[in-house]
Amino acid sequence: DTGVSQDPRHKITKRGQNVTFRCDPISEHNRLYWYRQTLGQGPEFLTYFQNEAQLEKSRLLSDRFSAERPKGSFSTLEIQRTEQGDSAMYLCASSSPTRGTDTQYFGPGTRLTVL
Amino acid sequence: AQKITQTQPGMFVQEKEAVTLDCTYDTSDQSYGLFWYKQPSSGEMIFLIYQGSYDEQNATEGRYSLNFQKARKSANLVISASQLGDSAMYFCAMREGMDSSYKLIFGSGTRLLVRP
Repeated sequence: DTGVSQDPRHKITKRGQNVTFRCDPISEHNRLYWYRQTLGQGPEFLTYFQNEAQLEKSRLLSDRFSAERPKGSFSTLEIQRTEQGDSAMYLCASSSPTRGTDTQYFGPGTRLTVL
Repeated sequence: AQKITQTQPGMFVQEKEAVTLDCTYDTSDQSYGLFWYKQPSSGEMIFLIYQGSYDEQNATEGRYSLNFQKARKSANLVISASQLGDSAMYFCAMREGMDSSYKLIFGSGTRLLVRP
């Protein structure tokens, strides 16, 4: 299997701009997760998809954040009107319940810097 | 209440020696899973080892083993024969229940530095 891929790897934007990140999960993984990691902390859960259905969203996911997984394959995470507090690493992971422990495998992340 | 506690912000170990990274957890679920991930400076989270709450034996994966003490709610990672490439952040994580969203709850991590 090829691993989880994320694009872009780095994004620098100005406050108030919109940004969109893409995640391509491991093929045939029907579960996909987004996490956010700030400096010196562990990742925090943002949202979860099973196939194309978004089944849970964290309270961290404000109205400015939206995630989609239109065909149950890749996913996008959009942040509107970015704020400096949005600066973080955004991690995507995927898993498959048919593979034993349903372990989540992570992509390389997208590092967002909001100026 | 903090669900996953990693009390060691930083650890040093001499190359070729063993090191234990501590992790305690808090849950009222009977069914849960515990994971350890490694995060090098590049940023990617690399899965290392998994322990299920019903597993009777401690998990092992190559040089990694998990010292699972259910009554004490601890799941310490043991790395044997440390290598320079083991220098990284290490995160303990828990997945509660089997009917939830399967999200992982992470600790704050331990930075391990392997000395030559």
